[in-house]
Amino acid sequence: DTGVSQDPRHKITKRGQNVTFRCDPISEHNRLYWYRQTLGQGPEFLTYFQNEAQLEKSRLLSDRFSAERPKGSFSTLEIQRTEQGDSAMYLCASSSQNSGRTGNTIYFGEGSWLTVV
Amino acid sequence: GQNIDQPTEMTATEGAIVQINCTYQTSGFNGLFWYQQHAGEAPTFLSYNVLDGLEEKGRFSSFLSRSKGYSYLLLKELQMKDSASYLCAGFDRGSTLGRLYFGRGTQLTVWP
Repeated sequence: DTGVSQDPRHKITKRGQNVTFRCDPISEHNRLYWYRQTLGQGPEFLTYFQNEAQLEKSRLLSDRFSAERPKGSFSTLEIQRTEQGDSAMYLCASSSQNSGRTGNTIYFGEGSWLTVV
Repeated sequence: GQNIDQPTEMTATEGAIVQINCTYQTSGFNGLFWYQQHAGEAPTFLSYNVLDGLEEKGRFSSFLSRSKGYSYLLLKELQMKDSASYLCAGFDRGSTLGRLYFGRGTQLTVWP
């Protein structure tokens, strides 16, 4: 399978603990995104990478959240001192910087479910 | 930013046609996506419109009118497996990085 893959798929953690999610984008895609989705809502943009550079961050991304893409391939999203409000599905997506209309298409991974208890 | 609006729920019967509408307000619009999302799963890409008009892809078609800030997704010959949430998302030209703004999604239930 050459789609976007995320790990772990599910994570239950106690409030105050740190969690880290990993995303492996589609191999030829140089753009990588993190979104967050809660029940009954559409995905909300968190941050974006082009290659290894983090070029945009949402104000939703508090200081407890950090994302990296050190070699321009896989990415990690870490949440420190988790709170119950962090419970959500964290979606990773990728796209390629190609010319033409299809180059803008953003493909999502299956998501990582986080439950903070 | 963008204000994406779509109905919360719709129902239809198997074999029927359903149209899901989406309106948006933006000064930096640069294309509109439709995604399908089954419960507990990630959104799956359906269509992308950047120019006015109808794009047809099998049983699914998507329409865009940029002057009216309006799009719709048309599903024909509905099947039970089409029961899902359908997300309308605007592509923000103001963000050079391709940020998508999503609506809340329209939950479609297909009855036998």
